[in-house]
Amino acid sequence: GAVVSQHPSRVICKSGTSVKIECRSLDFQATTMFWYRQFPKQSLMLMATSNEGSKATYEQGVEKDKFLINHASLTLSTLTVTSAHPEDSSFYICSAREPAGEKSSYNEQFFGPGTRLTVL
Amino acid sequence: SQKIEQNSEALNIQEGKTATLTCNYTNYSPAYLQWYRQDPGRGPVFLLLIRENEKEKRKERLKVTFDTTHKQSLFHITASQPADSATYLCALLMFSGGYNKLIFGAGTRLAVHP
Repeated sequence: GAVVSQHPSRVICKSGTSVKIECRSLDFQATTMFWYRQFPKQSLMLMATSNEGSKATYEQGVEKDKFLINHASLTLSTLTVTSAHPEDSSFYICSAREPAGEKSSYNEQFFGPGTRLTVL
Repeated sequence: SQKIEQNSEALNIQEGKTATLTCNYTNYSPAYLQWYRQDPGRGPVFLLLIRENEKEKRKERLKVTFDTTHKQSLFHITASQPADSATYLCALLMFSGGYNKLIFGAGTRLAVHP
């Protein structure tokens, strides 16, 4: 299957700082990327959907000014957590969807390995 | 809004037995239902997808059923092995606001004991 990478895998920061997480599709072009957040023993919660070259669509309750998403190219999306606070500590996971075709199952999404954010 | 319920308790089984995990959902049936595996500290890995007009799908030791009447999917792992120990997530593909998006259940943790 297709590969999605995330960087960094783990980040610890002080309260009030901003943190940027990168998500890359390594061997395919992803017109759509998704950002999820997962708290311990809970389900993945979709935060936003981003399409290359356009503004992200945020889920209800997700502050777009706090979680800035940029999908500047077909292989890279970034999530910036601005002015992070301890309650933002979580596991952030991105995924990318390859356009339907020979290589992928229809509507299959490929997930990155996740980024563990800890805000002190 | 759509809700997804998976066994909240961990499932412990003996190696070689069949593990059966359930996924129940409310409201309308999705066009697609998917199962993922997630290991601790890792992202989900896609396993199987089943469409609303399909009753059953198989892949090696895995089998998924989809009962749209009772709004339930069952996920079976036959001849289970300790390496199958992980959390298994049920996800529904929903169409909303012009976008497809996956809605996940909380997952069921499976532990296969030698």
